[in-house]
Amino acid sequence: DAKTTQPNSMESNEEEPVHLPCNHSTISGTDYIHWYRQLPSQGPEYVIHGLTSNVNNRMASLAIAEDRKSSTLILHRATLRDAAVYYCILRATGNQFYFGTGTSLTVIP
Amino acid sequence: DTGVSQDPRHKITKRGQNVTFRCDPISEHNRLYWYRQTLGQGPEFLTYFQNEAQLEKSRLLSDRFSAERPKGSFSTLEIQRTEQGDSAMYLCASSLNRAGGETQYFGPGTRLLVL
Repeated sequence: DAKTTQPNSMESNEEEPVHLPCNHSTISGTDYIHWYRQLPSQGPEYVIHGLTSNVNNRMASLAIAEDRKSSTLILHRATLRDAAVYYCILRATGNQFYFGTGTSLTVIP
Repeated sequence: DTGVSQDPRHKITKRGQNVTFRCDPISEHNRLYWYRQTLGQGPEFLTYFQNEAQLEKSRLLSDRFSAERPKGSFSTLEIQRTEQGDSAMYLCASSLNRAGGETQYFGPGTRLLVL
């Protein structure tokens, strides 16, 4: 199983940037790095994914270390609606997504 | 709404009863996944289909669990002789198989409580 390590929880003030770290030292060359988030009582929601280069979309940015052993999800301006559990996932060989326990983000008004 | 739908949203049953859940994926998606999520944990992979073929099953999927996707569209997950340990959220996701990192779209889940 491709493993990731994330802090259990983080806090951010509203309208400030948030950097959510993820370590994945056992990543293989073909593993994509995916981020999903899960709001209370909802299914997970796709945020972003990447392979080697940094990625940007309307929701967030993904910064991938040069050795690919870590990555950071960046929310540029946290809002109260961004309070969720954020999962960093490696796509293992085959087709399984291993979610781990994620980082619970609290946004303080 | 063209997202993934699941039915029912909530199910309470007594230990020993059988339950069946349904998932309707996004229409053009050929892959369908089932996950189980318990309180405070991330979703755990159970099984997945490509079209109607069940291609992978987790060892979490005991003999009491069976999943089908008969026509490559909707899927059902049945749990026979339910146990209290089966109480969890059951999530379905669908995706379109493509080279590179595919995106899974999740349904709202079915919350099962076994008394």
